[in-house]
Parts: sequence; structure tokens; C-alpha cells
Amino acid sequence: SAVISQKPSRDICQRGTSLTIQCQVDSQVTMMFWYRQQPGQSLTLIATANQGSEATYESGFVIDKFPISRPNLTFSTLTVSNMSPEDSSIYLCSVDQGWAGYTFGSGTRLTVV
Amino acid sequence: DAKTTQPPSMDCAEGRAANLPCNHSTISGNEYVYWYRQIHSQGPQYIIHGLKNNETNEMASLIITEDRKSSTLILPHATLRDTAVYYCIVRVPFTGTASKLTFGTGTRLQVTL
Repeated sequence: SAVISQKPSRDICQRGTSLTIQCQVDSQVTMMFWYRQQPGQSLTLIATANQGSEATYESGFVIDKFPISRPNLTFSTLTVSNMSPEDSSIYLCSVDQGWAGYTFGSGTRLTVV
Repeated sequence: DAKTTQPPSMDCAEGRAANLPCNHSTISGNEYVYWYRQIHSQGPQYIIHGLKNNETNEMASLIITEDRKSSTLILPHATLRDTAVYYCIVRVPFTGTASKLTFGTGTRLQVTL
């Protein structure tokens, strides 16, 4: 199965700033997915990122707050913009491996102070 | 994707079988049952999936009822390292188009000595 490298693994940021999370896959994939997991909660899909097109955002998530780039078939970034303490979460990227299911990165634990 | 219902938490003694139930009464004919688990602070990990036949791999067994409205994930000899949140998800496998994975609240399995 694919191996996903996600970084940073954790960060503490000041409110009002932005953080860009990177996700590198060791094989080419059509779609990449970004999830958020708030403290004590389940995972919520933020958006689906296809190479060469704009990301598709789920209800409650907007591009101005969570801009996504997908420059090629092995890489994607998610930016959390103008952060507030409510953005403190774990952010995860994933890819669909077909019959092998989804593979997830190890996550980025973000704390906004 | 069909909605699933799982108990919020379960306990299991180490070395015993852990049986995790999942109800998916609205599952469609072409939807598969997938199980993932998330060990604390890590990305979710794929365990197993099935359509209507029972499935077994090196990690677990999946028992799906004949009417496909419920299933049980079996960890035959639970260890402390199996302590995690287990998610049951029903979905159509990857078809080359958008195939997002929707997580419910899962079952928190605590394996004890």
C-alpha cells in the first residue's frame, strides 16, 4: 500500500497566522482527501483534492479558510488560514487505495494559542 | 453512503476475543462494509472489508449477516495494542470517481489485563 509522509507532525501557532501542511505520497494517486479531527471527535472530511482542478469542499468548509493545492499526482498541501483556537485539531491527509481501503498520513496536531 | 450504528465503548480482557458489532440497516446492494481503527493520536488504519461473505485476514474476521443489515468485527485474541477506536463504514469501493469515506463515532475498545 501507499506510504504517506505528512508534515509537520505537530505545531503550536499564534492566532491570526496561517499554517501549511504538506502531504507526500510515494505513488501517483488521482484523489487525495483532507480530514479534520477535533479533540475527542471523529474524523470530518474537509475536501477532496484532484490534480489539475480546484478542490471540492464539504459543507461547512470554504476555500478561503482552507486553501488546498494539488500540483501533481503525489503531493498536496492544506493551509489553515487566519487561525483561531477553534482550529486546534488533528489534520490528516489520505488516499484511496481501492480494494485495499484508504491509507492515512500520521496527522498534524495543531494547537492555536 | 449508508449510516452505521456502533456502541460507543466496549471492554475486553487481553487474550479473549473482541466482538465489535455494527448495524447498517440501510445498506445498499453494492455497498461494502469496511472496518478501520484509530490508535491514539495516529491516522486510521484499514482492517478488513466485505460484501456478503465472511472474510478473514491476519488482523481480524468480519461476519456479515445474511440480510447484510449488520456485521461483527472479531479480533480473535485481543492484546493491549488493540486498544483503539474502531470505525464501521459502508460505502461503494473506489470506482475512479469521488469516493469519500464518511466516519461515524466508532466504538472505543479498551483491552485490559
